[in-house]
Amino acid sequence: AQTVTQSQPEMSVQEAETVTLSCTYDTSESNYYLFWYKQPPSRQMILVIRQEAYKQQNATENRFSVNFQKAAKSFSLKISDSQLGDTAMYFCAFIKTGANSKLTFGKGITLSVRP
Amino acid sequence: DTEVTQTPKHLVMGMTNKKSLKCEQHMGHRAMYWYKQKAKKPPELMFVYSYEKLSINESVPSRFSPECPNSSLLNLHLHALQPEDSALYLCASSQDRGGVRPLHFGNGTRLTVT
Repeated sequence: AQTVTQSQPEMSVQEAETVTLSCTYDTSESNYYLFWYKQPPSRQMILVIRQEAYKQQNATENRFSVNFQKAAKSFSLKISDSQLGDTAMYFCAFIKTGANSKLTFGKGITLSVRP
Repeated sequence: DTEVTQTPKHLVMGMTNKKSLKCEQHMGHRAMYWYKQKAKKPPELMFVYSYEKLSINESVPSRFSPECPNSSLLNLHLHALQPEDSALYLCASSQDRGGVRPLHFGNGTRLTVT
């Protein structure tokens, strides 16, 4: 079974600063994907970024980038130039490839961006 | 704008009522999901449909009854719910269940059982 651990329940960052959200996972699978989802107060879960396990290059989407350390099973999210709209709950998630795969979420972290 | 549309946005129902939640997507996705989410917690998987067939039921009580009438539509029928069933119900879809394609979520239905 897979587990995803987000050990920080809350973080706060000043607008325009950089913040890093931590995530570790445990799996014996070799083919899998990792995701960061954002859930603002509007409730919709929005995909922020995706990383394929077989790719060594870290994924980047505009101000969002990941630090994927496969051997350490670590998948942290860096948000640069934080904006007020980044205030949300962030979930790290894991899924193995295969027909019967299910998404496993971490507990989530609440990020507040201060003006 | 969300590509997965859920209605209603809010629902209040008594424990003896029967109601339904609706989810629609027009992205051609063949996998659809129901999740239940309590405040400040991650979503919990309830049901998965793949090519309009139920492929996963996560031991959900029978007072929740899913239905997938066609590839674009997913319903969740509710009957004789308990107050502890009050939660945000999220629908999601993906191109398939292979794990490669990410899930697209709707805005959810906030359900309150009185």
